[in-house]
Amino acid sequence: GQQLNQSPQSMFIQEGEDVSMNCTSSSIFNTWLWYKQDPGEGPVLLIALYKAGELTSNGRLTAQFGITRKDSFLNISASIPSDVGIYFCAGRPGGTSYGKLTFGQGTILTVHP
Amino acid sequence: GAVVSQHPSRVICKSGTSVKIECRSLDFQATTMFWYRQFPKKSLMLMATSNEGSKATYEQGVEKDKFLINHASLTLSTLTVTSAHPEDSSFYICSASGQSLMNTEAFFGQGTRLTVV
Repeated sequence: GQQLNQSPQSMFIQEGEDVSMNCTSSSIFNTWLWYKQDPGEGPVLLIALYKAGELTSNGRLTAQFGITRKDSFLNISASIPSDVGIYFCAGRPGGTSYGKLTFGQGTILTVHP
Repeated sequence: GAVVSQHPSRVICKSGTSVKIECRSLDFQATTMFWYRQFPKKSLMLMATSNEGSKATYEQGVEKDKFLINHASLTLSTLTVTSAHPEDSSFYICSASGQSLMNTEAFFGQGTRLTVV
């Protein structure tokens, strides 16, 4: 089945630092999504990408849909303590039903004040 | 984004009993709902896809008779964990997609922490 490799698995950074994480796939995805999950909560959609090469920002977050359609990255600039959480990439391969997603393994982000 | 409400947020039940979890789309019609299971600090594992008015499609390895899914209306899907055992303890999350939403993105409920004692 489809697999997404997300890295790094965890990050420990100082407040104010920039963060970068990425996902790669062995096959093409037509949609890339980035979610954040706080402890005990469901994932919240951060950024959605629908076009190869697309670069989209949401406040301090920036994500890009790779040209090859097999990768995506998420950057967080000037991190703050509330950025702490688990970040997941998710992809939707072509030909599957709307909404069915494949998730990466997650990146656990810890921000030290 | 669209609002998906999941209830209860936490439940503790005795081994052998059944537990029902509800997933509601509050401001849109969810033609498709998804049920996931998540272990601590792990990714989301898709259990089943539920389409309104039809039988759910279960992922490989998920017991249909163990995890009963009903999607009787465009705003409600339920997951019933039958004859629960301690190994069923987990975090269960639903998501919903609707054709009326731009690009039919999946929005998630708050999750349900199930503890079987």
